[in-house]
Amino acid sequence: SAVISQKPSRDICQRGTSLTIQCQVDSQVTMMFWYRQQPGQSLTLIATANQGSEATYESGFVIDKFPISRPNLTFSTLTVSNMSPEDSSIYLCSLGWGKETQYFGPGTRLLVL
Amino acid sequence: SQKIEQNSEALNIQEGKTATLTCNYTNYSPAYLQWYRQDPGRGPVFLLLIRENEKEKRKERLKVTFDTTLKQSLFHITASQPADSATYLCALANAGNNRKLIWGLGTSLAVNP
Repeated sequence: SAVISQKPSRDICQRGTSLTIQCQVDSQVTMMFWYRQQPGQSLTLIATANQGSEATYESGFVIDKFPISRPNLTFSTLTVSNMSPEDSSIYLCSLGWGKETQYFGPGTRLLVL
Repeated sequence: SQKIEQNSEALNIQEGKTATLTCNYTNYSPAYLQWYRQDPGRGPVFLLLIRENEKEKRKERLKVTFDTTLKQSLFHITASQPADSATYLCALANAGNNRKLIWGLGTSLAVNP
């Protein structure tokens, strides 16, 4: 299985600012995803990061708020824009390795004040 | 409405006993169901996948059952150890072309020495 790393591991941000989270994989993968895990809530898929094209967003998530880049098959970024306290959450990137099983990065714990 | 539910109360058991966790779903037709383990501050780790036409799957001390009539999956850890203490998540993929994973909230398991 691939090794997935995320940066930063945690951050505390002021409302109105933006944070970019990086996800790096040690091998080329086709499918990468971004999830959010808010306190007391289940994992929620934000979007599928597509290499070389615009990300595919789930209902309730928009590109202006969560712009995603996927410049190659080993790297992706998620930006949380114009943050509010409601954006405090754990953000996770994951790989759809065999199209069924999901492998997750360690997560980025974000607190917005 | 569609729901996927896991025991919301934490499960406390003695070392050596069998832990049984429940995942119930409503108004889904799962193609398959998965179980993941999540430790504090970390991303979920895949454990087992069971398909709609399978009744039971085993992996070492882990056993998963799937009853599509009861709309329920049970996750068992036999000969439990304190190292098994974690939150366990179930996730199902609905039948159809877009097999996006739908996640439960998870059940916290504590195995006491």
